[in-house]
Amino acid sequence: EIVMTQSPATLSVSPGERATLSCRASQSVSSTLAWYQQKPGQAPRLLIYAASTRATGIPARFSGSGSGTEFTLTIISLQSEDFAVYYCQQYSNWPWTFGQGTKVEIK
Amino acid sequence: EVQLVDSGGGLVQPGGSLRLSCAASGFTFSSYWMSWVRQAPGKGLEWVASIKQDGSDKYYVDSVKGRFTISRDNAKNSLYLQMNSLRAEDTAVYYCARGGSYFPGWGQGTLVTVSS
Repeated sequence: EIVMTQSPATLSVSPGERATLSCRASQSVSSTLAWYQQKPGQAPRLLIYAASTRATGIPARFSGSGSGTEFTLTIISLQSEDFAVYYCQQYSNWPWTFGQGTKVEIK
Repeated sequence: EVQLVDSGGGLVQPGGSLRLSCAASGFTFSSYWMSWVRQAPGKGLEWVASIKQDGSDKYYVDSVKGRFTISRDNAKNSLYLQMNSLRAEDTAVYYCARGGSYFPGWGQGTLVTVSS
């Protein structure tokens, strides 16, 4: 199975600053990568699919990039509602696999 | 509005069985792959199973193969997960999700606790 590794585990950012989250795949997944946001007690929410396409209703401050094995989720000008856990997920090869998550916390 | 409502979770003893259900509304259920994703307490997300629109194709994570069965009833706009031979490590919140690759819609989740 493809192992997804996210870094860092925790990211401390001040409101209004930029956050850069990384996701690495153990083998190429082309552009079949998604990003999700999850807040405590809530279901995950799809942010990005196909590595760089924003899902419906997702603000433009969220952007995704990368292909192959290296991917990045960038959140510019963090808002209070953006502090959450973020997961990447590959859907290139069954079984679909998620990264372990990056927690974005208030600095 | 897309809505997915998960139900059927609860406390079950090791070796026991449970059937989860997901009621879908707000979209043409029969046109979409559907999936189950779980999250153990305090842990990350784990994809469990997916089923094609007509039920002809099903995929499972290795850890549940032979124990869990995903199914659907398009006439009732419902998705199911039959879970047999449950183990402590199956304890998790189980989410129904729309899609078979990435997941643009999620249920609220239902908690399954496997414990004696």
